[in-house]
Amino acid sequence: QQQVKQSPQSLIVQKGGISIINCAYENTAFDYFPWYQQFPGKGPALLIAIRPDVSEKKEGRFTISFNKSAKQFSLHIMDSQPGDSATYFCAASMKVPGGKLIFGQGTELSVKP
Amino acid sequence: NAGVTQTPKFRILKIGQSMTLQCTQDMNHNYMYWYRQDPGMGLKLIYYSVGAGITDKGEVPNGYNVSRSTTEDFPLRLELAAPSQTSVYFCASTDIQVINNQPQHFGDGTRLSIL
Repeated sequence: QQQVKQSPQSLIVQKGGISIINCAYENTAFDYFPWYQQFPGKGPALLIAIRPDVSEKKEGRFTISFNKSAKQFSLHIMDSQPGDSATYFCAASMKVPGGKLIFGQGTELSVKP
Repeated sequence: NAGVTQTPKFRILKIGQSMTLQCTQDMNHNYMYWYRQDPGMGLKLIYYSVGAGITDKGEVPNGYNVSRSTTEDFPLRLELAAPSQTSVYFCASTDIQVINNQPQHFGDGTRLSIL
């Protein structure tokens, strides 16, 4: 019940295209859903996050869509650029206890020029 | 600001050896975490701490120990290294004093190989 399932495992997109990564969760007590971006040799860094009382959040080219009834959320990267090539992780957490993050398995995105 | 600093960046251990992975943060965050990252598995929580003197187990605590004597430092101890502990280890911190969850800030990791 604590799992977060992420797909696809890898994704290849042409420059200018839309990248879409999907996640599903089981525990309805999760109240925070962040996406992290990780470049090789670096730690994950927060990209964008959403709370379950909002159905969509947009920051620049990055949008989270959230479907509470389906227990699913997704990351859309518009106008994908080669610099977006990285590994993306969805996650979910509850503030109590400890704000622990449960991560998805990760998606390796490659944007071809 | 340095943020979250992890040392060492790389280490090779022999089976049965012990070592301590160091983590320090300069953001005065009360919450700190240790994760391990294995290929295709995402990040798994090993231990976490909600303040000095308080620690608790995460998803995969076996074979590890932690301590939190100060706000800044959260070392991870491997007592008897096993090949299954070959992984990349990340330390993170956050401050969730306010209502909205705050992002976890990650270090750049320690790459550990056990042979």
